Amino acid sequence: DAKTTQPTSMDCAEGRAANLPCNHSTISGNEYVYWYRQIHSQGPQYIIHGLKNNETNEMASLIITEDRKSSTLILPHATLRDTAVYYCIVRPYGQNFVFGPGTRLSVLP
Amino acid sequence: DVKVTQSSRYLVKRTGEKVFLECVQDMDHENMFWYRQDPGLGLRLIYFSYDVKMKEKGDIPEGYSVSREKKERFSLILESASTNQTSMYLCASSLKSQGRTEAFFGQGTRLTVV
Repeated sequence: DAKTTQPTSMDCAEGRAANLPCNHSTISGNEYVYWYRQIHSQGPQYIIHGLKNNETNEMASLIITEDRKSSTLILPHATLRDTAVYYCIVRPYGQNFVFGPGTRLSVLP
Repeated sequence: DVKVTQSSRYLVKRTGEKVFLECVQDMDHENMFWYRQDPGLGLRLIYFSYDVKMKEKGDIPEGYSVSREKKERFSLILESASTNQTSMYLCASSLKSQGRTEAFFGQGTRLTVV
C-alpha cells in the first residue's frame, strides 16, 4: 500500500506556481520522498527526490517539513505541458516504488 | 540521459498466444522492473530483478514470467495471454541503492489481448 496521501485533483493557472501537497505521516528516518509525473499515455517521468533537506532542480522544488511528515512539490511557472498526474512516493529502504493514485493537475490557460 | 526502451508501443495478441515484452536500458543499471497500469488500480509491480539471472516476484506475478540473461535487457513473458492481461505495461530501471536512487521508466507498451 502507498504510504502517502495526496489530493485527487488540483487546478493551476498557466504561469503561476503549482504547489502540490503530500502527506506521509508514517515516514521512517531512512525513507526518501520521490515525485514522479505521468502525462497521458506515457511512462512516469522522474521529477525530484529528497530525504530531509529541501531540493531544487531544473524542473521543480521539493519542500519537506522539518518533521518530514509532509512535503510540497512546487512547479514555479506552470505551463500547459505540466498537466499530468503527479505521484508522491515514499520509498522504503531497499524496496520498490509503490505508486498511489496521485494528484491530477490541470493547468488552465 | 537515461534511456529505457520498450520494444513496442502498441501490441495486439490473441488469447492463448505466448507474448514477449522486451525492455532495454542503456545506463548499466542493476535493477529492472515490470509494472502494469490499469484505470483505477494505478501501477502494480509484476516482477523485478536486482541482477542478471535474478528475479523476484512483485505484487501480481500470476500469469507472468521474466527473463534477465543480460544486464541491459529484462523481458516479460505472458505464457498464455488472456483478456484480463490487456493493460499498459511499463518497464523501469535504477541503480542498486539504499533507497536513494530514482527509477527511470520506458514509454510503455499498450497490450490488447483479443
